[in-house]
Amino acid sequence: SQQGEEDPQALSIQEGENATMNCSYKTSINNLQWYRQNSGRGLVHLILIRSNEREKHSGRLRVTLDTSKKSSSLLITASRAADTASYFCAFSGYSTLTFGKGTMLLVSP
Amino acid sequence: EPEVTQTPSHQVTQMGQEVILRCVPISNHLYFYWYRQILGQKVEFLVSFYNNEISEKSEIFDDQFSVERPDGSNFTLKIRSTKLEDSAMYFCASSDSRGEQPQHFGDGTRLSIL
Repeated sequence: SQQGEEDPQALSIQEGENATMNCSYKTSINNLQWYRQNSGRGLVHLILIRSNEREKHSGRLRVTLDTSKKSSSLLITASRAADTASYFCAFSGYSTLTFGKGTMLLVSP
Repeated sequence: EPEVTQTPSHQVTQMGQEVILRCVPISNHLYFYWYRQILGQKVEFLVSFYNNEISEKSEIFDDQFSVERPDGSNFTLKIRSTKLEDSAMYFCASSDSRGEQPQHFGDGTRLSIL
């Protein structure tokens, strides 16, 4: 199965610092997506990177994809307290999304 | 910005009862999904729906579950004869294409089986 794993499981940083989260998967993918989930809320789509792309930017977010290593990373630059949330990678093969276990990010003021 | 809306936000049901979770996907989207998240665990795919039929389903989505698009706006998940282990957050999502575009999620229904 396309099991995904994020690391770290939890990350605690100060405002202004950068946060890096990693995601690995096992089989071929169509694209990889990152989502954010605030406590008790639904998942919010952040960024999608296709299998033929290596890097993508959106505001303070930077995502990389290494298909040879079957891994992706999400970098949040200049973090803010409002970035506190759980972050999930999800990979898409045909149509469904397979989610990783997530990284819980805590940004302290 | 258009949103996926889910009702109710919290449903408490006795074990063995039937429950219907409701979703209103984004109006011009064609693909609809249900996912669940048991407390502390990862989000798991249940079923996808397109053109008034199930296009994919997971092993979790057994005969206890069914989905329906009863009209042009609602998308429902029915769970018959609920079990304690059905307690979870259930998320509805929609997208305007299959696999190529982001899925937009609702805020979920917290289902508690007593």
